[in-house]
Amino acid sequence: EAQVTQNPRYLITVTGKKLTVTCSQNMNHEYMSWYRQDPGLGLRQIYYSMNVEVTDKGDVPEGYKVSRKEKRNFPLILESPSPNQTSLYFCASSRGGYTGELFFGEGSRLTVL
Amino acid sequence: KNEVEQSPQNLTAQEGEFITINCSYSVGISALHWLQQHPGGGIVSLFMLSSGKKKHGRLIATINIQEKHSSLHITASHPRDSAVYICAVRWTTDKLIFGTGTRLQVFP
Repeated sequence: EAQVTQNPRYLITVTGKKLTVTCSQNMNHEYMSWYRQDPGLGLRQIYYSMNVEVTDKGDVPEGYKVSRKEKRNFPLILESPSPNQTSLYFCASSRGGYTGELFFGEGSRLTVL
Repeated sequence: KNEVEQSPQNLTAQEGEFITINCSYSVGISALHWLQQHPGGGIVSLFMLSSGKKKHGRLIATINIQEKHSSLHITASHPRDSAVYICAVRWTTDKLIFGTGTRLQVFP
């Protein structure tokens, strides 16, 4: 079954404690991306990757890091989480940057105290 | 900065009604996506358009590149169509900008 898998689905952490949200897809997609969703603001792009070792900033990259060492994985790293990073996070992938249908993970709800 | 505007923000309908949700954007794009998000939070891709019209079951999506406008139509609406519908545009740089969504409630 084609899917995008995120972990963890729910996480409560404290300010400053490094965390990683993993994202993995089994469709051999080149394009992967991270978004955050906040009430009243909708979805905003954090980082995206067109292929292995190629990443670029979206609209709200501050406080986040990503890496793309393998095609299937695109982890989101919060080096020093702060309360304003409390949000619902989605990972997505698609076959091609310009023409591919987007496949989303189920979301990761993160709370930073 | 690109801007994506959806209308209406909220929509209530009776089962069976024809529904239209609109999306306007301000600059040139490479593709436009329509997404559906159910109350549980998961997001599903409905359509990806770069021109013309697509149909899937009771859903129809159209795009007018010259007018920078897209519409999502739902024919014979059903309570299970109740969800948030989100328009998202891809720039040529392949960044993705989202509309704030249209919340649809269909009552029996």
